[in-house]
Amino acid sequence: DAGVIQSPRHEVTEMGQEVTLRCKPISGHNSLFWYRQTMMRGLELLIYFNNNVPIDDSGMPEDRFSAKMPNASFSTLKIQPSEPRDSAVYFCASSLRGNTIYFGEGSWLTVV
Amino acid sequence: AQSVTQLDSQVPVFEEAPVELRCNYSSSVSVYLFWYVQYPNQGLQLLLKYLSGSTLVESINGFEAEFNKSQTSFHLRKPSVHISDTAEYFCAVMSPQGGSEKLVFGKGTKLTVNP
Repeated sequence: DAGVIQSPRHEVTEMGQEVTLRCKPISGHNSLFWYRQTMMRGLELLIYFNNNVPIDDSGMPEDRFSAKMPNASFSTLKIQPSEPRDSAVYFCASSLRGNTIYFGEGSWLTVV
Repeated sequence: AQSVTQLDSQVPVFEEAPVELRCNYSSSVSVYLFWYVQYPNQGLQLLLKYLSGSTLVESINGFEAEFNKSQTSFHLRKPSVHISDTAEYFCAVMSPQGGSEKLVFGKGTKLTVNP
């Protein structure tokens, strides 16, 4: 299995620009998660989907962040406009509901 | 709401020494517990998990953790560490009641194994 695939792996962007992070979950998994990792706050759940439907988005920081899952094999996390404090590693993860959650390698975002 | 406390942010040890990484959780309902490991510049990998049954769970690379409900702890142990165990270790809790799959993580413990 290819695992959870995220792109881009690294992104450097200027403040104010739109950032789109992409995720392809493991085939057959029906739950998808977006986490953010920073030194100050550790790992935080931003949002998770089950069967493409958002279940818990209480961790989404503010309206600048949005996430979509148009089908079972693709999800995006968008930040518009980006700010320096959004610099972090963003992880996508997936699971077959009730089982182990598998993480991708992460997207390292730097906003300057 | 659940929370996880990892009492040590950094643990340095010598190769072949035993190690214990501490984890305490807070939850008003029954929980599932997990340890994940993160090697530099990589994602998180599941090390071991407790869902139910035996309170002692083991990983394939020699780690073990024991669920202690009375002390709300899930400490991770290894009797003899290797250089390759150097990584960051995260304890996490999930409360499956109501169908939630939300994993709440601790702040992590950086294990450094020195020769």
